[in-house]
Amino acid sequence: KAGVTQTPRYLIKTRGQQVTLSCSPISGHRSVSWYQQTPGQGLQFLFEYFSETQRNKGNFPGRFSGRQFSNSRSEMNVSTLELGDSALYLCASSLSSGNTIYFGEGSWLTVV
Amino acid sequence: GIQVEQSPPDLILQEGANSTLRCNFSDSVNNLQWFHQNPWGQLINLFYIPSGTKQNGRLSATTVATERYSLLYISSSQTTDSGVYFCAVDQGVYGGSQGNLIFGKGTKLSVKP
Repeated sequence: KAGVTQTPRYLIKTRGQQVTLSCSPISGHRSVSWYQQTPGQGLQFLFEYFSETQRNKGNFPGRFSGRQFSNSRSEMNVSTLELGDSALYLCASSLSSGNTIYFGEGSWLTVV
Repeated sequence: GIQVEQSPPDLILQEGANSTLRCNFSDSVNNLQWFHQNPWGQLINLFYIPSGTKQNGRLSATTVATERYSLLYISSSQTTDSGVYFCAVDQGVYGGSQGNLIFGKGTKLSVKP
């Protein structure tokens, strides 16, 4: 069974641009969550979706948004990119909240 | 909010040695998971262990929820065990899960041949 797939794996953007990252969960998993990892702040929760509904959101500005589609695939968007948004963005899926979660390989975003 | 502390922050081992990594958390939790992050950045789930003891090959984990800590044991370490080990907790709301894992800062393990 395929794991969590994230695209793109690597990308470079310019300050002020926006970016969309995509995540396909493990088949049958309905919960998708997103995390940001930076050397300074570590792993921080962004948001979680279940059955197309955002159920929880971390402490990030409104420039960070996401959505989940009916097939459980999810996207996150960051608008008006800042240098500090450079990070590894990790998507994870699970059958439902509170179960074992499985991470994708991540999307490495560099903002220049 | 809940605090998750891992120790030691760094650990260097010779291949074949055993090690114990610790995770302390400041409040009751619904679940606790251990992950290994490989050099390419991917987080691999090792254990889902809100309480009790589990074993998987050379790795085992114990969580004592009443005392708010968990331990990850690595026996006969191999160079492929190198990477960062994270524990993460889910505090939940009203007994349910928030779907929000809070991670510790990790233990960076280097296993030398």
